[in-house]
Amino acid sequence: SAVISQKPSRDICQRGTSLTIQCQVDSQVTMMFWYRQQPGQSLTLIATANQGSEATYESGFVIDKFPISRPNLTFSTLTVSNMSPEDSSIYLCSVEGGTDSSYEQYFGPGTRLTVT
Amino acid sequence: GENVEQHPSTLSVQEGDSAVIKCTYSDSASNYFPWYKQELGKGPQLIIDIRSNVGEKKDQRIAVTLNKTAKHFSLHITETQPEDSAVYFCAAYGSNDYKLSFGAGTTVTVRA
Repeated sequence: SAVISQKPSRDICQRGTSLTIQCQVDSQVTMMFWYRQQPGQSLTLIATANQGSEATYESGFVIDKFPISRPNLTFSTLTVSNMSPEDSSIYLCSVEGGTDSSYEQYFGPGTRLTVT
Repeated sequence: GENVEQHPSTLSVQEGDSAVIKCTYSDSASNYFPWYKQELGKGPQLIIDIRSNVGEKKDQRIAVTLNKTAKHFSLHITETQPEDSAVYFCAAYGSNDYKLSFGAGTTVTVRA
């Protein structure tokens, strides 16, 4: 399976500011995803990061709030813009791929964001 | 879209006993069902998965069963150990929206 790293691992930010989260994979992958996990909750897909084109956002998530970049097949960033306390969550990067690669998704360690 | 329900929300077992978590899904065309384990402060870890052409899969102390007719699948952990304590999530891959939908999670506590 792919090895996924995220930076930063955690941060405390003031409301109204923005934070960019980086996701690095140790091998080229076609599909990369960004999820949000609110405290004590399950995982919610924010968007699919597409290489060379705009990200595909899920219902309830918009590009102005969560701009995503995917410059190549091993790297992506998610920005959380104009943050409010409601944005306090774990943000997870995920990639699809494995030995029997159909559908298998692997997650990074997450970025724990607290907005004050 | 796909709707996945997971039960129970919490599960406490004595070390050495078995733990069973059950999930149901709504999309009869879903064909891939992974299970993730999330320890405190970590990202979800894929521990086992099953595809729709298989009824059961086992990996050491964990096993997953799938009943396509009833649209439910279960995770079985035998001979539980303290390190099995974590939150477990089931998921289903929707054939219409090509994405994973997750259950609400089960917090498993193994008592020593």
